[in-house]
Amino acid sequence: AQSVTQLGSHVSVSEGALVLLRCNYSSSVPPYLFWYVQYPNQGLQLLLKYTTGATLVKGINGFEAEFKKSETSFHLTKPSAHMSDAAEYFCAVSSPYSGGSNYKLTFGKGTLLTVNP
Amino acid sequence: DVKVTQSSRYLVKRTGEKVFLECVQDMDHENMFWYRQDPGLGLRLIYFSYDVKMKEKGDIPEGYSVSREKKERFSLILESASTNQTSMYLCASSSGQGQNYGYTFGSGTRLTVV
Repeated sequence: AQSVTQLGSHVSVSEGALVLLRCNYSSSVPPYLFWYVQYPNQGLQLLLKYTTGATLVKGINGFEAEFKKSETSFHLTKPSAHMSDAAEYFCAVSSPYSGGSNYKLTFGKGTLLTVNP
Repeated sequence: DVKVTQSSRYLVKRTGEKVFLECVQDMDHENMFWYRQDPGLGLRLIYFSYDVKMKEKGDIPEGYSVSREKKERFSLILESASTNQTSMYLCASSSGQGQNYGYTFGSGTRLTVV
C-alpha cells in the first residue's frame, strides 16, 4: 500500500521568502508523484508531476520539486513567495504501472500556505 | 482543455433524503473518481471507475454508491443522507492509456445535510 505524509499542516512565509513544503512517501516501488494546489472554493489543479527521467521537475507558477529516492521525498519549493501563492497544497502518489486501479492517487492531508505581506 | 463539470456547487439536503451528485467529463477519459474532502483529513477516495459499468470501492465507500452508465458521466449516490456526510465532494477523471498523467478535477460540490 502507498501512503503520503506532508509535514506541517500550516506553513507561513513572508512575501519574497523561500517556500518549502515537505512530502514523504511510502511505496514498495518508485512511484509517480504529484503536487496539486487548491485555491479557496475551487477544485485541485496540477502543479507538477514526476513520472520518470529527470528528478528535478518544474511546474507552473515558478514551483519545482525534486524526487529523492534515497530519502523517499518529493519536496515542493519556490524561491520567492508571492501573495497569490496562498492556497492549500497536496502531495499525491500513484503506482508506476498502468491499468485499472493503478491509476488511483493517494493524497496527503494537505499543507495550507499563508503568505504575509 | 479537459473539463470536469459537477452539476452543483452547493447543495443542502435533509437527513434521510436520497442525494445524487453528478459529474461529467468531456475528454473521453476512461477513469473517473469520487473523493470527499474534510479539514485535516485531506482527500479520501470513495469510489472509482475505470470503465463503463465498472466500479471499485475506495477507502470510505460506506453509505455511498455510484453509477456509470455512460463513459462521460459518473454519479455518486447517497442512499440516505446523514449529517456526517456533510462535506466537499470532488470528482476527477484521468486517461486510462499509458502513463498516469494525473487527474483533472471538477470544482467540487459542497454538500450540507441538515
